[in-house]
Amino acid sequence: AQTVTQSQPEMSVQEAETVTLSCTYDTSENNYYLFWYKQPPSRQMILVIRQEAYKQQNATENRFSVNFQKAAKSFSLKISDSQLGDTAMYFCAFMKREKTSYDKVIFGPGTSLSVIP
Amino acid sequence: DAGITQSPRHKVTETGTPVTLRCHQTENHRYMYWYRQDPGHGLRLIHYSYGVKDTDKGEVSDGYSVSRSKTEDFLLTLESATSSQTSVYFCAISGREGNGYTFGSGTRLTVV
Repeated sequence: AQTVTQSQPEMSVQEAETVTLSCTYDTSENNYYLFWYKQPPSRQMILVIRQEAYKQQNATENRFSVNFQKAAKSFSLKISDSQLGDTAMYFCAFMKREKTSYDKVIFGPGTSLSVIP
Repeated sequence: DAGITQSPRHKVTETGTPVTLRCHQTENHRYMYWYRQDPGHGLRLIHYSYGVKDTDKGEVSDGYSVSRSKTEDFLLTLESATSSQTSVYFCAISGREGNGYTFGSGTRLTVV
């Protein structure tokens, strides 16, 4: 079974600085997807970024980028130029690439990020 | 996004009463999911559906049942609510492979 670990329950960063959130996962699969979701105080779950395991290039979405290390099973999220609106819970998630069946997503326990003015 | 809605947004109920949460989608997606969110656990899968009347259990299904009589609706029922079922419940849908989920806004359920 796949598992996702986020070893930092809470983090803080000064506004405009850069912060990196860690995520590791355990799987015997070779083809899969990885995600970072953001959950602000509004409770809404928002997809921040996704990575396909067969692509070596790290995904980037504006100020958000990932460092995907497939051999190490590591998938960290870097937030550059942190803004107050980045304050949220961040979840790392894994999804096996199925030929059939459903897209079950496994979530990590989350990291609570606070951006300090 | 109006593609998926959950109701109610908040609910307080008494121990032992049945409770039904509703998820409605307008995207015509085949797959629908119910998760619960608890501190330290992230989101855990309760049940999922891969079509009308096709459902299966997730990792934390005890005490829950689901039904899907139409593509757009997926209901989660707590047959006899317990305090351990106090949680935030999320419905999700998935469309194109690898795109992850679109979530509803969640239901905060408190069992007293």
